[in-house]
Amino acid sequence: KQEVTQIPAALSVPEGENLVLNCSFTDSAIYNLQWFRQDPGKGLTSLLLIQSSQREQTSGRLNASLDKSSGRSTLYIAASQPGDSATYLCAVRSDGDKLIFGTGTRLQVFP
Amino acid sequence: GAVVSQHPSWVICKSGTSVKIECRSLDFQATTMFWYRQFPKQSLMLMATSNEGSKATYEQGVEKDKFLINHASLTLSTLTVTSAHPEDSSFYICSAGLEYRAVSTDTQYFGPGTRLTVL
Repeated sequence: KQEVTQIPAALSVPEGENLVLNCSFTDSAIYNLQWFRQDPGKGLTSLLLIQSSQREQTSGRLNASLDKSSGRSTLYIAASQPGDSATYLCAVRSDGDKLIFGTGTRLQVFP
Repeated sequence: GAVVSQHPSWVICKSGTSVKIECRSLDFQATTMFWYRQFPKQSLMLMATSNEGSKATYEQGVEKDKFLINHASLTLSTLTVTSAHPEDSSFYICSAGLEYRAVSTDTQYFGPGTRLTVL
């Protein structure tokens, strides 16, 4: 059974810092991995999608890497801003179309 | 990008009543839709996979008689919480895939969620 864990569970940093959020999964047989952002009481916004054959994806200040063999992904946020404050979720697709979500990292960036 | 809507965005009901939540894909057809629930400060847990024209597939531990799912068209799936109790209070989120494949690399498009509070 696929299990997805995220570390840290919560993070509070001053504006401008570069951040690394970690995601690990127990079964390396995945199709892809996604990073999402969720604002309080809201749905999910897809940030980055990494296919199983890819090593990383970049979008603006965000960079996500994937090491499938070791069951790990990292989300790197450069020059963090207060607007980046949200919960970040990683999810893997490994059984048909089902997404298995991680436990989430609650990020707060203060001015 | 593709848009998925949910209705209502929030609902408050009395214990013992039934509540229906709709999930619609607005600008694409979705053979497969997914229903998740999320408790406060926790992650999303998949409840069931809804396939158009056939019975939903429920995850282990989810009561199919309590959470009725109907996917009658390629743009609409509904989740009915029957005989709701306070412990059913949660945030329910649906998602829709563009199509179903044995090996898929497509993303899912998520609805904005429905906040259910059972008194």
